[in-house]
Amino acid sequence: AQSVTQLDSHVSVSEGTPVLLRCNYSSSYSPSLFWYVQHPNKGLQLLLKYTSAATLVKGINGFEAEFKKSETSFHLTKPSAHMSDAAEYFCVVSLDSNYQLIWGAGTKLIIKP
Amino acid sequence: NAGVTQTPKFQVLKTGQSMTLQCAQDMNHNSMYWYRQDPGMGLRLIYYSASEGTTDKGEVPNGYNVSRLNKREFSLRLESAAPSQTSVYFCASSLNGAHEQYFGPGTRLTVT
Repeated sequence: AQSVTQLDSHVSVSEGTPVLLRCNYSSSYSPSLFWYVQHPNKGLQLLLKYTSAATLVKGINGFEAEFKKSETSFHLTKPSAHMSDAAEYFCVVSLDSNYQLIWGAGTKLIIKP
Repeated sequence: NAGVTQTPKFQVLKTGQSMTLQCAQDMNHNSMYWYRQDPGMGLRLIYYSASEGTTDKGEVPNGYNVSRLNKREFSLRLESAAPSQTSVYFCASSLNGAHEQYFGPGTRLTVT
């Protein structure tokens, strides 16, 4: 059965420092993986997606994620945090049916000035 | 383009009351979804519609019904609201099981 675990419920970094949000997944097949972002009181926006092409995926706003099959991980990174990055981030894995997504519990990213 | 729209934005119901949440998309997408979001639990799929004329249960369908009215519209109905259904509800659409889902702004529902 597919599942996704976000290893930190909260991550706090200073502005200008690197961001690392960790995600591990479990999937019987080669999965499709996504990161979505939700800013306070807003809807959800796709940051990036992995669908079996390049293992390093670049997304919007300077974020990227690396698919590591051996570690079943899909961690999200950004070299330098900005105040506008403060939001909740969700790691998501697809089900084989292609219509259902399994969502992680979310990681709240806090940016300190 | 408006993308995915939802109405209402906020709603308060008493236990036992019924209501319908409306969702529409103008992106000519085939697939549509209803999720609920609860604190600390991410999003959970209630129902989805892979294409016009089909609907299927997701992870948490109990207490809900859906109607895919046409290609644009997908409604979610609570027949007899319960406090456990207090949540934020999101509608989403995707082109064709392509996985990239586009979300509406959400409906915040409180059941007292």
